[in-house]
Amino acid sequence: LAKTTQPISMDSYEGQEVNITCSHNNIATNDYITWYQQFPSQGPRFIIQGYKTKVTNEVASLFIPADRKSSTLSLPRVSLSDTAVYYCLVGEGYSTLTFGKGTMLLVSP
Amino acid sequence: DTEVTQTPKHLVMGMTNKKSLKCEQHMGHRAMYWYKQKAKKPPELMFVYSYEKLSINESVPSRFSPECPNSSLLNLHLHALQPEDSALYLCASSQVRGGAKNIQYFGAGTRLSVL
Repeated sequence: LAKTTQPISMDSYEGQEVNITCSHNNIATNDYITWYQQFPSQGPRFIIQGYKTKVTNEVASLFIPADRKSSTLSLPRVSLSDTAVYYCLVGEGYSTLTFGKGTMLLVSP
Repeated sequence: DTEVTQTPKHLVMGMTNKKSLKCEQHMGHRAMYWYKQKAKKPPELMFVYSYEKLSINESVPSRFSPECPNSSLLNLHLHALQPEDSALYLCASSQVRGGAKNIQYFGAGTRLSVL
């Protein structure tokens, strides 16, 4: 199971773009990269998933370089409600998914 | 509908009590999970059920007993818990346990306090 490393915390202001990078040096060929968001006292919520290059949905973009040893979650124009913990998980379906420490994003007015 | 429902939302129990946590999903998912989350820590996997059979037990003490009565329901039976077992207990489900794109859908959790 690939181990992930993320910044412990990040600060931003409303309206800014936020990029959170996750390192996963020993990612395996079949592994997908999945990001979850968690608010206090709630369960994690799926944000986005990718395998390579770039994936975009209505809430975020995920950038994955060719070597796949890292990935960057991009949140455009954050608001106060984006304050949460963001987890990067790397694995494939036949392995258990282990949450790393996550990144606490604080968005200020 | 991507909802996983957990009951109760809050539970306070003594160390000699027996209680159960319930989890329900109607997405047709065949894999269900229990996680434990302590304050300011990431979720820790406890159990995995695949097609109603226990497939992973992450060395959880026997005072936690999971049960999967059917494909939509998952229970966690609690007995003789310790104060350090106080935590947020999360249930999740996914389409199947296998497959490269294992996206899990989580419930809101049960906040458990053991006195």
